[in-house]
Amino acid sequence: DVKVTQSSRYLVKRTGEKVFLECVQDMDHENMFWYRQDPGLGLRLIYFSYDVKMKEKGDIPEGYSVSREKKERFSLILESASTNQTSMYLCASSLPGYYGYTFGSGTRLTVV
Amino acid sequence: GESVGLHLPTLSVQEGDNSIINCAYSNSASDYFIWYKQESGKGPQFIIDIRSNMDKRQGQRVTVLLNKTVKHLSLQIAATQPGDSAVYFCAEGPISGGYNKLIFGAGTRLAVHP
Repeated sequence: DVKVTQSSRYLVKRTGEKVFLECVQDMDHENMFWYRQDPGLGLRLIYFSYDVKMKEKGDIPEGYSVSREKKERFSLILESASTNQTSMYLCASSLPGYYGYTFGSGTRLTVV
Repeated sequence: GESVGLHLPTLSVQEGDNSIINCAYSNSASDYFIWYKQESGKGPQFIIDIRSNMDKRQGQRVTVLLNKTVKHLSLQIAATQPGDSAVYFCAEGPISGGYNKLIFGAGTRLAVHP
């Protein structure tokens, strides 16, 4: 069963901490995405990557960075966590030019 | 910027009834539309898609209708079941740019009552 796996389901971090959210896919997909999901706002794109070591900013990249050293792994980094980054974070992957994304189950991050 | 929106944030239906979830989009140049279903505690799951050169597409118990004239998209679920209770998102795929990314709406919650 193909899947996108996010390393943590729930995470609680303190303000100012550096936070790493990990995502691994086993489908050999070129494209990978990080979204955050907030009530009433739907899914907003933070960053995406179309190849190893390649990345592009999405709609809300401020306060975040990403890393893609291997094709199957896409990491989201919160350089200095703030309370307004408390959210559900969703990772997705897809083949090039294909919009049928496969999503992970999400990481619910709480910054206190 | 362009956005995808929904008419109703919450829809309550009786089990066995048909459900219709609506979506308005603003980018008339969008080429591709998708419906996702998100159950509680899970990530969104692909349901059905439709390209802009079509006005209707059917799946198993689901039908997507596209009206490009009024920029409206709908998802019809036949004989709604308790397992259909979830948040449903429509999304549009822009035709510009070299790398695909979707623009999602805010979502509609479907509550199915016995």
